[in-house]
Amino acid sequence: ETGVTQSPTHLIKTRGQQVTLRCSSQSGHNTVSWYQQALGQGPQFIFQYYREEENGRGNFPPRFSGLQFPNYSSELNVNALELDDSALYLCASSLTGGGLTEAFFGQGTRLTVV
Amino acid sequence: SQQGEEDPQALSIQEGENATMNCSYKTSINNLQWYRQNSGRGLVHLILIRSNEREKHSGRLRVTLDTSKKSSSLLITASRAADTASYFCATVAGPSGSARQLTFGSGTQLTVLP
Repeated sequence: ETGVTQSPTHLIKTRGQQVTLRCSSQSGHNTVSWYQQALGQGPQFIFQYYREEENGRGNFPPRFSGLQFPNYSSELNVNALELDDSALYLCASSLTGGGLTEAFFGQGTRLTVV
Repeated sequence: SQQGEEDPQALSIQEGENATMNCSYKTSINNLQWYRQNSGRGLVHLILIRSNEREKHSGRLRVTLDTSKKSSSLLITASRAADTASYFCATVAGPSGSARQLTFGSGTQLTVLP
């Protein structure tokens, strides 16, 4: 167990709806990153938050947005869901602002859009 | 986009044999990390090798890095059935202060037969 928890573990949504995924980072970690993993693929970077500020973003549209709270927990929000948004969403926390050290991943949220 | 590409995509071996997985990447890096993922769950960090290192060991794991060829290999010695999982390499690049996200390859599915 990494100490990073994500909720919910599974979710089914209808196309066009909005979804919020949550992540509690490991104690003491000030950086949270979100990744999308499609079936059979490697994770793709969505964005990163460092001390409550967005600190980098991958190639994802603005309907993917996030927040980081003072306790360093984080949310990923996706608006206007599309079928292709069906994936495993992974949250990773780390101590530094980036990948200079190892990242600790949660177990993921499996999102299915129908 | 995927930075690294793992080779082979799938590998099946007998328990006790060694498993070697390769990773190639495209751009200059700060470090390269290997992660393991069981059945679509969270990723577990295995080992990190910095760009100025050539080889690193951790238990039954041995990682090499050749920055001139932009490639890395992961060797698992004396494999066990419990090593069955997907293995991903991930590179970290970018200047100080940037997000330095993990950029993953597409993974190698390792099956260790008892």
